[in-house]
Amino acid sequence: EAQVTQNPRYLITVTGKKLTVTCSQNMNHEYMSWYRQDPGLGLRQIYYSMNVEVTDKGDVPEGYKVSRKEKRNFPLILESPSPNQTSLYFCASSLSSYLQNEQFFGPGTRLTVL
Amino acid sequence: QQPVQSPQAVILREGEDAVINCSSSKALYSVHWYRQKHGEAPVFLMILLKGGEQKGHDKISASFNEKKQQSSLYLTASQLSYSGTYFCGTESNAGGTSYGKLTFGQGTILTVHP
Repeated sequence: EAQVTQNPRYLITVTGKKLTVTCSQNMNHEYMSWYRQDPGLGLRQIYYSMNVEVTDKGDVPEGYKVSRKEKRNFPLILESPSPNQTSLYFCASSLSSYLQNEQFFGPGTRLTVL
Repeated sequence: QQPVQSPQAVILREGEDAVINCSSSKALYSVHWYRQKHGEAPVFLMILLKGGEQKGHDKISASFNEKKQQSSLYLTASQLSYSGTYFCGTESNAGGTSYGKLTFGQGTILTVHP
C-alpha cells in the first residue's frame, strides 16, 4: 500500500531531551516536507526537501533539524525540545521535486514537551 | 506571511453552495487546496499553477487570479462529506521563486448539515 508513515504517533518528553521523529514513504517521491499544526495557525512548514541531500527551510525552522540521506526517509530532529514545540506534526511527500503534484500526508505525530 | 482565508467558518445545508477565498500579499507561483477532517491528515483537493494549469478533483473547482494574488475554491451542491477544515497553501514568486516552500492559511471550517 502506497503510504507515508511516521513514528512515533504519540510522544511525551521533557525539555532538552533530544528526539527524532521518523518519516518514510514507499512511493519513490522526490519531494518531502514537515509541517506543524497548532490551533488557529493552520499548517506551518518546518523544512522541505526537493531531492536527496537537498533541504531548505520552511516558515518555522528554528529548533528543528532534518536530513535526507535516502529518497524514502526524511527524519525530523529536535536537538533540545522546548514546550513551545508541543504540536501535531505531519510529514508529507509528493511525486515531483517542484511540488506540482499532490502531497500525501502521514498520519501525524502528536508531541508533548513538558 | 500566511495567506488570509475567508470566511473563517461557514455553515451550509446539504445541496447549498459555498466559496472559500484565499488572498496573499505576495506574488504567487501556485496555490494548493487541502481538506482536513477532524483527527485526520489533510487530503489533497486542487493545485492551480501560474499560467492556468489546474490539477485536482472533478467535482471541486477553483480559480486563481494571478494579478490579484487570490484564489477561490468553489463547492457546489454540498454533501455531508464536504464538512471539514479547508486550507489553501501558496508558493510565492516574491524575491525569486522559492519552489517547494509552501505557506498555508489559517483554515476555513465548513460544516454541512442534513
